[in-house]
Amino acid sequence: AQSVTQLDSQVPVFEEAPVELRCNYSSSVSVYLFWYVQYPNQGLQLLLKYLSGSTLVESINGFEAEFNKSQTSFHLRKPSVHISDTAEYFCAVSEENQGGKLIFGQGTELSVKP
Amino acid sequence: DARVTQTPRHKVTEMGQEVTMRCQPILGHNTVFWYRQTMMQGLELLAYFRNRAPLDDSGMPKDRFSAEMPDATLATLKIQPSEPRDSAVYFCASGLVIGWDLNYGYTFGSGTRLTVV
Repeated sequence: AQSVTQLDSQVPVFEEAPVELRCNYSSSVSVYLFWYVQYPNQGLQLLLKYLSGSTLVESINGFEAEFNKSQTSFHLRKPSVHISDTAEYFCAVSEENQGGKLIFGQGTELSVKP
Repeated sequence: DARVTQTPRHKVTEMGQEVTMRCQPILGHNTVFWYRQTMMQGLELLAYFRNRAPLDDSGMPKDRFSAEMPDATLATLKIQPSEPRDSAVYFCASGLVIGWDLNYGYTFGSGTRLTVV
């Protein structure tokens, strides 16, 4: 059965610094991978996804994530963060032949300080 | 932008009362999920539907929770009787699943914040 581990529960970082939020998954079959972002008192928003093809995927606001099958990872990175990136970030996995079922990690709280 | 609509946004109720949460998925989406979010447990999958039929409700306490889709525009999650430990934010999400598993990501509603006192 699939599971998702986000290795850091909180990541404090200064504005304009680079950041990496780590995500590892466990699955014996092919997977689809997602990052969602949750701003305070809001629902989750899809940030980016890996379905197939290029292992490096990008979002419109400068985040990128790389699918590494051998390490079963899908880490999220941004070269220079902004105050407005402060939010909780969730990694999620959907395993093949599971009807689209989406399982989430515990979340990483990114706090960007001036 | 199309959105998933959840009502009510906030609900405070007394222990033992029935609670019904509603969700209007995006038109054309064939899959609807119910998640519960708490500080301790994070995001837990309660149940999900494909073309209005339940696919998996193993995450839901069966004795008090029930989930239905009476039509394609409405999903409901009911708790009867409610207990303080049910206090959480309940999210509905919808999406389009191609074939058996290919999904392009789901759209979440803003959630219902439930407090049971």
